[in-house]
Amino acid sequence: DSGVTQTPKHLITATGQRVTLRCSPRSGDLSVYWYQQSLDQGLQFLIQYYNGEERAKGNILERFSAQQFPDLHSELNLSSLELGDSALYFCASSAGTLFKNEQFFGPGTRLTVL
Amino acid sequence: SQELEQSPQSLIVQEGKNLTINCTSSKTLYGLYWYKQKYGEGLIFLMMLQKGGEEKSHEKITAKLDEKKQQSSLHITASQPSHAGIYLCGADNRDSNYQLIWGAGTKLIIKP
Repeated sequence: DSGVTQTPKHLITATGQRVTLRCSPRSGDLSVYWYQQSLDQGLQFLIQYYNGEERAKGNILERFSAQQFPDLHSELNLSSLELGDSALYFCASSAGTLFKNEQFFGPGTRLTVL
Repeated sequence: SQELEQSPQSLIVQEGKNLTINCTSSKTLYGLYWYKQKYGEGLIFLMMLQKGGEEKSHEKITAKLDEKKQQSSLHITASQPSHAGIYLCGADNRDSNYQLIWGAGTKLIIKP
């Protein structure tokens, strides 16, 4: 158990809809990272937050947004969903700001868009 | 842009045998990370390598970064069923503020 929790575990929705994925980092970790893993694209970094502030942006679509709250939990919002958004979404956390810090991954949320 | 290529894509190994997974970068590696993923689950950190020629071991897993810092290998000795999973290498991408880029992964199956 990494100490990172993600909810929900599975999510099935329709095209055009909006969903929110939630992540609670390990106790004491200030950085939260969001990743998307799909069969065709592999693991892709989406966005990083550190202590409530956006720190780095990767391959995140404009339809996607995220935020980190004062209690350090984070949410990833996906809107106008398309079939191609079906993937495993991982949240990871680390103590520091640097990507080289060991990242602890949550179990993921499997999103299926029908 | 930097790319990581992992080989092989998949591997079936008899329990007890040794195996090696490779990760080759299109550019010099300044930080190379090995993670393991059990099917449908999150990634677990294994090791980080930074210096050319560096070698690290944990239990029966050894990772090396070559002197030129463009290739890393992960070697498992006397494989066990618990080693089954997907092994991913990640690297610092200096072109993008050191965000991690990832290889496609190597799927390892251990035959009893």
